[in-house]
Amino acid sequence: GAGVSQSPSNKVTEKGKDVELRCDPISGHTALYWYRQSLGQGLEFLIYFQGNSAPDKSGLPSDRFSAERTGGSVSTLTIQRTQQEDSAVYLCASSTVGSGANVLTFGAGSRLTVL
Amino acid sequence: KQEVTQIPAALSVPEGENLVLNCSFTDSAIYNLQWFRQDPGKGLTSLLLIQSSQREQTSGRLNASLDKSSGRSTLYIAASQPGDSATYLCAVSGGSYIPTFGRGTSLIVHP
Repeated sequence: GAGVSQSPSNKVTEKGKDVELRCDPISGHTALYWYRQSLGQGLEFLIYFQGNSAPDKSGLPSDRFSAERTGGSVSTLTIQRTQQEDSAVYLCASSTVGSGANVLTFGAGSRLTVL
Repeated sequence: KQEVTQIPAALSVPEGENLVLNCSFTDSAIYNLQWFRQDPGKGLTSLLLIQSSQREQTSGRLNASLDKSSGRSTLYIAASQPGDSATYLCAVSGGSYIPTFGRGTSLIVHP
């Protein structure tokens, strides 16, 4: 597609429920990133996918968080047993990698509110 | 672990001023540095990318410089306009290609 698409744009859920957030990257971009942005905070790295390599999960805050990327394209971030501190905007970005220029293109984000 | 700091955290200027936003990073072994703009409630838009071998990049009224040895980058905005009002974020990538972001500078340009 023309840009990075994220859904849903807004999600309100109750504490303890599971949520799934979807990211559809730019076609042909081999790298895909998930970040989290909490109110008044910077962007916190969560997970990075690059081609067929094992993902870098070093930023996931707990084992309640997981992500997958099917067929090297669409990615789903899953948060199990949501907590109030999970409330944030979840941003997805994609890029090409190599030649010193991995310009990230971000989606508009998914705003998660846990009541 | 790379740490990125942006100063000032907030800036309010009258239209027409030239201004400088600062970004510093702790690990000089970087792959590239990017400047982004974020409008309220929106995602990030890439403004400029400077590769580690470069000293500066220019796009229109924007100029970004990079001094790897001192761990600093500046974003210069010439003749600021109200439409430039946004949060500006700096992000540094190392060999892992995973950008580390600063907290941003919130800019307001008033008419």
